[in-house]
Amino acid sequence: ETGVTQSPTHLIKTRGQQVTLRCSSQSGHNTVSWYQQALGQGPQFIFQYYREEENGRGNFPPRFSGLQFPNYSSELNVNALELDDSALYLCASSLQGRPDEQFFGPGTRLTVL
Amino acid sequence: AQSVSQHNHHVILSEAASLELGCNYSYGGTVNLFWYVQYPGQHLQLLLKYFSGDPLVKGIKGFEAEFIKSKFSFNLRKPSVQWSDTAEYFCAVTGFQKLVFGTGTRLLVSP
Repeated sequence: ETGVTQSPTHLIKTRGQQVTLRCSSQSGHNTVSWYQQALGQGPQFIFQYYREEENGRGNFPPRFSGLQFPNYSSELNVNALELDDSALYLCASSLQGRPDEQFFGPGTRLTVL
Repeated sequence: AQSVSQHNHHVILSEAASLELGCNYSYGGTVNLFWYVQYPGQHLQLLLKYFSGDPLVKGIKGFEAEFIKSKFSFNLRKPSVQWSDTAEYFCAVTGFQKLVFGTGTRLLVSP
């Protein structure tokens, strides 16, 4: 157990819908990073949030967006879902500037039909 | 840009066999290297990491990895695997504000 929690565990959506995934960071951590892990692939960095603002982004389109709240928890929103968005979405919490000390949550499995 | 290559996508071993999983990285600066493990149905866990110093790094559960700078490699080893080592293993390198992962190696250990 890392202290990082994610909800929901599993989610099924249809193409074109919107989805919100949630993450609660480990106590004391102020930074949340989101990763997408497609089947048979390693996790890929989506973006990071620090002080309630996006603080770095990977190669993902704008329909992937996020929020961070004052208690450091975070949401990942995906609009206009596509079939290829089916994946395990991982969040990781850390202190700012410490990607080497990221602790991962169990992930949310998103299936887009 | 940073990148990580894992050459073995699937590995099948019998219990007590020795394990070596390959990892090569591409990064021009100072590297921090990691091996993570993902057991079935569980979250990603850190096995070991290398920042500097002794290039032979020992991690949890009997795993170790050797950083060879001249070969840009950070291979994971275990002398004798157990059935409970069945999992997916990811090599990673730190980039700016993020981890860059390889595609993973799925290890199946048969009893």
